[in-house]
Amino acid sequence: DQQVKQNSPSLSVQEGRISILNCDYTNSMFDYFLWYKKYPAEGPTFLISISSIKDKNEDGRFTVFLNKSAKHLSLHIVPSQPGDSAVYFCAASSEGARWGAQKLVFGQGTRLTINP
Amino acid sequence: EAGVAQSPRYKIIEKRQSVAFWCNPISGHATLYWYQQILGQGPKLLIQFQNNGVVDDSQLPKDRFSAERLKGVDSTLKIQPAKLEDSAVYLCASSPNLGVRTSGRDNEQFFGPGTRLTVL
Repeated sequence: DQQVKQNSPSLSVQEGRISILNCDYTNSMFDYFLWYKKYPAEGPTFLISISSIKDKNEDGRFTVFLNKSAKHLSLHIVPSQPGDSAVYFCAASSEGARWGAQKLVFGQGTRLTINP
Repeated sequence: EAGVAQSPRYKIIEKRQSVAFWCNPISGHATLYWYQQILGQGPKLLIQFQNNGVVDDSQLPKDRFSAERLKGVDSTLKIQPAKLEDSAVYLCASSPNLGVRTSGRDNEQFFGPGTRLTVL
């Protein structure tokens, strides 16, 4: 069962416009959410995160919004730049079976292309 | 600060052969993870170590996959024998999390570049 879903495999956005990437989850035990960015032939790198006690977290051009009632989060990038072209993964975490175990469950990823 | 190192970067083997991957985490990171990423999917956790002890291996196919983290530093992941469906990128990640659950970037996982395995 896919507990974290990114339903858009790809997204194309004009440079300078806003990019909005979406993520849905089913497990109500998830209480910490992260976005990772991945370039080809590299490992994912951390981008931004949000705790379930918040509904918004902002870091420069990147903002993550969390709607707990809808079990939905989104990543906004504004303005979008060509260097933002990458695959973006949404991930969620809950307290593991043992105290302190931070198990991440990833979505399938969305390939973002920023067009000049 | 050096990142997570993995080797080899690429490996091609025949089905039923054995293969091993190596990971050296960021110095001082207590927690080490191995993920499998099949094409078109997100990374899936295979096994998590805290120092040299296993925290979670619930999704590791133990009939063919094994992993160890001797001395609580670097780690190896082995597949024996390999199947066609094992073709994937194997990612190693580490985090400084010392087993205390907190929020914030101290729980961030740092990923290596991965090993791309092709099973023919």
